[in-house]
Amino acid sequence: DSGVTQTPKHLITATGQRVTLRCSPRSGDLSVYWYQQSLDQGLQFLIQYYNGEERAKGNILERFSAQQFPDLHSELNLSSLELGDSALYFCASSPTLAGGSSYNEQFFGPGTRLTVL
Amino acid sequence: AQTVTQSQPEMSVQEAETVTLSCTYDTSESDYYLFWYKQPPSRQMILVIRQEAYKQQNATENRFSVNFQKAAKSFSLKISDSQLGDAAMYFCAYRRFPYNTDKLIFGTGTRLQVFP
Repeated sequence: DSGVTQTPKHLITATGQRVTLRCSPRSGDLSVYWYQQSLDQGLQFLIQYYNGEERAKGNILERFSAQQFPDLHSELNLSSLELGDSALYFCASSPTLAGGSSYNEQFFGPGTRLTVL
Repeated sequence: AQTVTQSQPEMSVQEAETVTLSCTYDTSESDYYLFWYKQPPSRQMILVIRQEAYKQQNATENRFSVNFQKAAKSFSLKISDSQLGDAAMYFCAYRRFPYNTDKLIFGTGTRLQVFP
């Protein structure tokens, strides 16, 4: 158990709908990352937040948005869902932003499996 | 942009034997980290081993070791004395020495089957 929790575990919805995925980082971790894993593919970085502020963006679609709240939990909002959005969505957290040679491990949650029908 | 390539979609090994998974990467940076992650059927991402690019010594963790060839931009994972529980997807990942972000860049993975 990494200490990172994600809800829900599974989500089935229809095209055109909107869903919210929730992530609670490990206690004390300030940085949250979201990754998308499509079927049998590697993980693709979507977005990173640090202490409530957006830090970096990957190939995140405009239909997707995220935020990190004052209690440090994060939500990933996916709207106007398409069949191709079906994937496993991972959240990871790390203690801080690493600097220089400081190693900053990312701890992964169990993921949310989204199925769009 | 940095990229990570895993050219072996599937590999298989007999229990107790040794197997090597390949990974190559492309970067113009001199300092970075490389990782191998294991993803069993449960889909949990488990860190297996990491290597700092500035260290010449290859990392080892029990039965897992890497062959890091910086000039060739190659980073292979060797699993010795393979066990049934090693069956999983294995992902190679890259992370630059962080400044604003320390996102991970993953390869497409290698599915490892272990036969008794």
